[in-house]
Amino acid sequence: EPEVTQTPSHQVTQMGQEVILRCVPISNHLYFYWYRQILGQKVEFLVSFYNNEISEKSEIFDDQFSVERPDGSNFTLKIRSTKLEDSAMYFCASRGELSYNSPLHFGNGTRLTVT
Amino acid sequence: DQQVKQNSPSLSVQEGRISILNCDYTNSMFDYFLWYKKYPAEGPTFLISISSIKDKNEDGRFTVFLNKSAKHLSLHIVPSQPGDSAVYFCAASETDSWGKLQFGAGTQVVVTP
Repeated sequence: EPEVTQTPSHQVTQMGQEVILRCVPISNHLYFYWYRQILGQKVEFLVSFYNNEISEKSEIFDDQFSVERPDGSNFTLKIRSTKLEDSAMYFCASRGELSYNSPLHFGNGTRLTVT
Repeated sequence: DQQVKQNSPSLSVQEGRISILNCDYTNSMFDYFLWYKKYPAEGPTFLISISSIKDKNEDGRFTVFLNKSAKHLSLHIVPSQPGDSAVYFCAASETDSWGKLQFGAGTQVVVTP
């Protein structure tokens, strides 16, 4: 079964550094997402992306965050200047269409640790 | 943000018995509800969904029930198997939300032999 893949599985970075998290969504999917889960908290929505632009973003997704689909297969999340509170599991997800028959499929996540 | 609530952080059930997981929501605009299962070190895996035009949806051992008037849904797993031991998340979205999901806090299910 096709799956969403994320790299790296674990990223350690120093506060203030830039980090790029990478995702390869399912190949025929058109809608892409980033979610995160801070330890002990809920999975929370960050951003959705369709047709090469952001379709919706949460208040968490401030100017420090950006997303890009640099080619036909990758979808990236960049954090420009990481803060301690950015430490979390970051999940990429994709979806074929906006219908009840097309749920979000998640990758296994990247654990980001900011020191 | 407490739009989706799972009030039971954990549930222990014997193998072969029924597991019932509950979820409540407050946003009356939600019209699509999903259950995800999550193992440690993995991402959420889709289990089953239901739209607001239905009150029940079945897929094998999994059945989701939706009570719109009570803003409540439940997931029934029968019979429960050891491999069902995981964290289960309830999630919901609005039609016009580009697929943005609001998640509950999750319920840890442990299936004992």
